[in-house]
Amino acid sequence: DVKVTQSSRYLVKRTGEKVFLECVQDMDHENMFWYRQDPGLGLRLIYFSYDVKMKEKGDIPEGYSVSREKKERFSLILESASTNQTSMYLCASSLEVEGYTFGSGTRLTVV
Amino acid sequence: RKEVEQDPGPFNVPEGATVAFNCTYSNSASQSFFWYRQDCRKEPKLLMSVYSSGNEDGRFTAQLNRASQYISLLIRDSKLSDSATYLCVVARNTGGFKTIFGAGTRLFVKA
Repeated sequence: DVKVTQSSRYLVKRTGEKVFLECVQDMDHENMFWYRQDPGLGLRLIYFSYDVKMKEKGDIPEGYSVSREKKERFSLILESASTNQTSMYLCASSLEVEGYTFGSGTRLTVV
Repeated sequence: RKEVEQDPGPFNVPEGATVAFNCTYSNSASQSFFWYRQDCRKEPKLLMSVYSSGNEDGRFTAQLNRASQYISLLIRDSKLSDSATYLCVVARNTGGFKTIFGAGTRLFVKA
C-alpha cells in the first residue's frame, strides 16, 4: 500500500510564525498535492507538483509556498501564519490521473 | 456554478436501507471518476473508481453516465459503519492535470 506520511497530526503556532508542514510518500509517485479542508468549503487545492523542483499554484496559493527537492517529499510553508490559516491540511500523492492517497492530515491552529 | 456538485445531505437512514448518492459534473472533458469516503476527522480514502460500464464492490455500486455528466453511488444493506461523508471526485488531463473534489454528502446510518 502507498503510504503518505505527514510529520505532525496536531500543530499550534503563533501568528506571524513561519510554519513548515512536511509530507513524504513511499511509492515513487510523480504527483503530490497540498489541500486544506474547512467545514462547508470542502477540499481546496493550495499547490501541487508533478516532478522534483516543479510546483504549480492551485486554487488558493496566497500565503503559502512549497518545496519539492526530492521526489518523495513535498513541503508546505506558511510564510507568516495567520489565524485564517487555521485548518486541516492534507497531503496527497498519485500516479497520473488516478485516485489519490492522502496522508492522515495536520490540524493546524494559529493563535 | 461548481464544477462538481453533490447533495450535501445529511442522509439519515436506518440500518439495512438502500441509499443512493448523486453527483453531477460540468466539464465534458472529464476522464476519470471516483468515490471517496471520509470518516469524521480523518483523511479521505478511495472507495472505488467509476467506469462507464458500472462497477460493483460488495454492497457498493457505482455508475457513470457520460451523456448526462452524472455519477452515482448506491449502498445496499447499510451498516452503522457506513456512516461517513462520501466525496465525488472528477479528474481530467487536458492541458494540465486537474482533480476536482465535490463537497461531499454526509450519511448517518442509525440502528
